[in-house]
Amino acid sequence: AQSVTQLDSQVPVFEEAPVELRCNYSSSVSVYLFWYVQYPNQGLQLLLKYLSGSTLVKGINGFEAEFNKSQTSFHLRKPSVHISDTAEYFCAVSRMDSSYKLIFGSGTRLLVRP
Amino acid sequence: NAGVTQTPKFQVLKTGQSMTLQCAQDMNHEYMSWYRQDPGMGLRLIHYSVGAGITDQGEVPNGYNVSRSTTEDFPLRLLSAAPSQTSVYFCASSSRRGAGDNEQFFGPGTRLTVL
Repeated sequence: AQSVTQLDSQVPVFEEAPVELRCNYSSSVSVYLFWYVQYPNQGLQLLLKYLSGSTLVKGINGFEAEFNKSQTSFHLRKPSVHISDTAEYFCAVSRMDSSYKLIFGSGTRLLVRP
Repeated sequence: NAGVTQTPKFQVLKTGQSMTLQCAQDMNHEYMSWYRQDPGMGLRLIHYSVGAGITDQGEVPNGYNVSRSTTEDFPLRLLSAAPSQTSVYFCASSSRRGAGDNEQFFGPGTRLTVL
């Protein structure tokens, strides 16, 4: 079975500061990794995904994430955040043979302050 | 394309009532899934379908039924609503084509309250 841990339930940060949202996963098989963003009262939007290849993945809105197999981590980073980045961020994994079944972390609320 | 649509957006039920949450997609996706979102728990998979006529249980299937008679539609039925089913429900779809690249597209959600 797979599991995802997002240790930080909320991350407050000032505008234009860098941010890192942490994600660790557990799985006995190879997985795909995803970050989704949810703006208030909306559905989920894919930020980026790691399927294979380069461990540094770039996504939309200036976000990037690095896959670290030895540490089973997939942390999300942005060098300079904006007020508009305030949202909830979800890390998710899926097995390679059943990528339609996502296992989500509990989410991290990013709060960007002016 | 409208993508993934869900109706209704909001619903209030009394304990014991039944209802169906509707989900439709116009992207010709083979895969469709239902998730529920609860505070501090992320999203959890309720049921999923890999094609018309094929459904299976996810992580939290109790109290919910699904069917998939067409590629486009994947309704979720609550036969006898309970307060524990108060949640936000998301439908998602993805394509089997392009193996390993199955991004799930999410609908806007249905906020359900059971009194």
